[in-house]
Amino acid sequence: GDSVTQMEGPVTLSEEAFLTINCTYTATGYPSLFWYVQYPGEGLQLLLKATKADDKGSNKGFEATYRKETTSFHLEKGSVQVSDSAVYFCALREAARQLTFGSGTQLTVLP
Amino acid sequence: EAGVAQSPRYKIIEKRQSVAFWCNPISGHATLYWYQQILGQGPKLLIQFQNNGVVDDSQLPKDRFSAERLKGVDSTLKIQPAKLEDSAVYLCASSLGQYSNQPQHFGDGTRLSIL
Repeated sequence: GDSVTQMEGPVTLSEEAFLTINCTYTATGYPSLFWYVQYPGEGLQLLLKATKADDKGSNKGFEATYRKETTSFHLEKGSVQVSDSAVYFCALREAARQLTFGSGTQLTVLP
Repeated sequence: EAGVAQSPRYKIIEKRQSVAFWCNPISGHATLYWYQQILGQGPKLLIQFQNNGVVDDSQLPKDRFSAERLKGVDSTLKIQPAKLEDSAVYLCASSLGQYSNQPQHFGDGTRLSIL
């Protein structure tokens, strides 16, 4: 079945550092890929998405590229801010099936 | 646009009691989902509705959990009787439709604690 494997956290960075959170997936078909962010006490917010191979999703300085050859969708940001501290979830969805989430990566950015 | 509304935000009950959660999706969204998020894990789908019909309830513990979406808009999720392992955040989400490229929009969730 479908599955998502995320880089284990927690990740602690200094402000303005470069961020990479690794995500790889297993799917039988051609899924759409998503990154969601969850701030403390809140629900998940869609951060970015990509629906086909080589698509790049981007939002708020975050980027991720759908790499079919390596089944990956790594999240990157060139310069993180304290306000980026949150839990980040990679997810996939095939056809009309359920959204499958990774276990989440806690990011803490220190001033 | 208004987001997905959930209530209550927090609920504390004793084991074997019953509890109900309410969700109002984004206007016009035909698809509604209930997820269970245990601390430190990603959300797990409990049930998916398309309008007022159930599309997927394969991971819903049907001996104690039930959900309905009678008029194809609001939804309620009920647990009866609750067990200690039901302590989690219950998230409701909605999307325009079931296509994989249509993102799901989440509410803030209901945090359930079982004593």
